[in-house]
Amino acid sequence: DAKTTQPNSMESNEEEPVHLPCNHSTISGTDYIHWYRQLPSQGPEYVIHGLTSNVNNRMASLAIAEDRKSSTLILHRATLRDAAVYYCILRDDKIIFGKGTRLHILP
Amino acid sequence: EPEVTQTPSHQVTQMGQEVILRCVPISNHLYFYWYRQILGQKVEFLVSFYNNEISEKSEIFDDQFSVERPDGSNFTLKIRSTKLEDSAMYFCASSDRGRITETQYFGPGTRLLVL
Repeated sequence: DAKTTQPNSMESNEEEPVHLPCNHSTISGTDYIHWYRQLPSQGPEYVIHGLTSNVNNRMASLAIAEDRKSSTLILHRATLRDAAVYYCILRDDKIIFGKGTRLHILP
Repeated sequence: EPEVTQTPSHQVTQMGQEVILRCVPISNHLYFYWYRQILGQKVEFLVSFYNNEISEKSEIFDDQFSVERPDGSNFTLKIRSTKLEDSAMYFCASSDRGRITETQYFGPGTRLLVL
């Protein structure tokens, strides 16, 4: 499985947008970029995924660089409930979790 | 919204004892998974299961572990003789057809403590 690099932690103010970066310079053409998050004391939860084009859903947006070597998860308006560990995952098969980014939301 | 459920939420056992962790995947899903997360560490893949067979397993999933779908709804993880290092959160997940574009839905986990 190709590897991803994410910052260990980030902070954001409540009700402001959050941009969570992920580098995946060794991504292959068949790898999908998935994001999951893990709220405190809960199981991982799917957020969004994409291949080449930017994607939007009710939870977030995913911006994928043209060369696909990086991507950014965008939470448009962070709430306290968005405080979690966010995992950027390249999938060509099973899910392999890295350490993720711990997102702190400041009230 | 359908969800994956797991029982028990917490289990304490003595080293060497057998434990069975239970999961009820989402009803129309065909692919099932177990993961574990040792406190403060990453979520680790253990095993995937489809059509009553193990599809893939990690190095962690040794002979002490087994999985079973004993009926149409439950999916179980058995640890035959628990060790202290088996203490972790165990998450079950399921997906519809197992494709890499598909979401895996995770349960809330079972916290296993081996004494």
